[in-house]
Amino acid sequence: KNQVEQSPQSLIILEGKNCTLQCNYTVSPFSNLRWYKQDTGRGPVSLTIMTFSENTKSNGRYTATLDADTKQSSLHITASQLSDSASYICVVTLFRNSGNTPLVFGKGTRLSVIA
Amino acid sequence: DGGITQSPKYLFRKEGQNVTLSCEQNLNHDAMYWYRQDPGQGLRLIYYSQIVNDFQKGDIAEGYSVSREKKESFPLTVTSAQKNPTAFYLCATEPGPGGVNTEAFFGQGTRLTVV
Repeated sequence: KNQVEQSPQSLIILEGKNCTLQCNYTVSPFSNLRWYKQDTGRGPVSLTIMTFSENTKSNGRYTATLDADTKQSSLHITASQLSDSASYICVVTLFRNSGNTPLVFGKGTRLSVIA
Repeated sequence: DGGITQSPKYLFRKEGQNVTLSCEQNLNHDAMYWYRQDPGQGLRLIYYSQIVNDFQKGDIAEGYSVSREKKESFPLTVTSAQKNPTAFYLCATEPGPGGVNTEAFFGQGTRLTVV
């Protein structure tokens, strides 16, 4: 069964600290992996997208890594800000001709940054 | 939100009523999706459409219906057969099949509450 597991479920950190969110997946055939940020009551916004051959990708203070062999990804947030408080969702895409539901979502990690 | 408009932002429905949620896009994307999000849960796929006049059931299609008469529009009707419709509904679009770096864009969501 195609699944995406995220950990931790929730996380509280102090402003200015770094943190790392984890994503493990059992999805095949794999096309790409995406990290989204979702503010409360709003739609998710894309942070990074990585294909099978990419190991790391950065977007400002956000850095995502991908290990396609172990089927693990992480999202590292550097020097956290209060505005980073949100849910972070890991999404894995299947190849279109696989006949399966194309996007597989994790349940997200709820990050709270406090002053 | 990138050119995806969901309306209304908030919707109240009496039990036994059908209601329709609107999703319009000006991104010229082929694929459109409807997701349901409940607290503590990942996004669950209701319906998706890869091309005009064609759509497929997702994982939780019962009690919902859709149409795709125009490329720009993918309305979702929540029927009285949906026993627990209170949730946050998200519409998403993608350019279409092919291209490993394609990503999904989300609307801002509609919060539906049964009163």
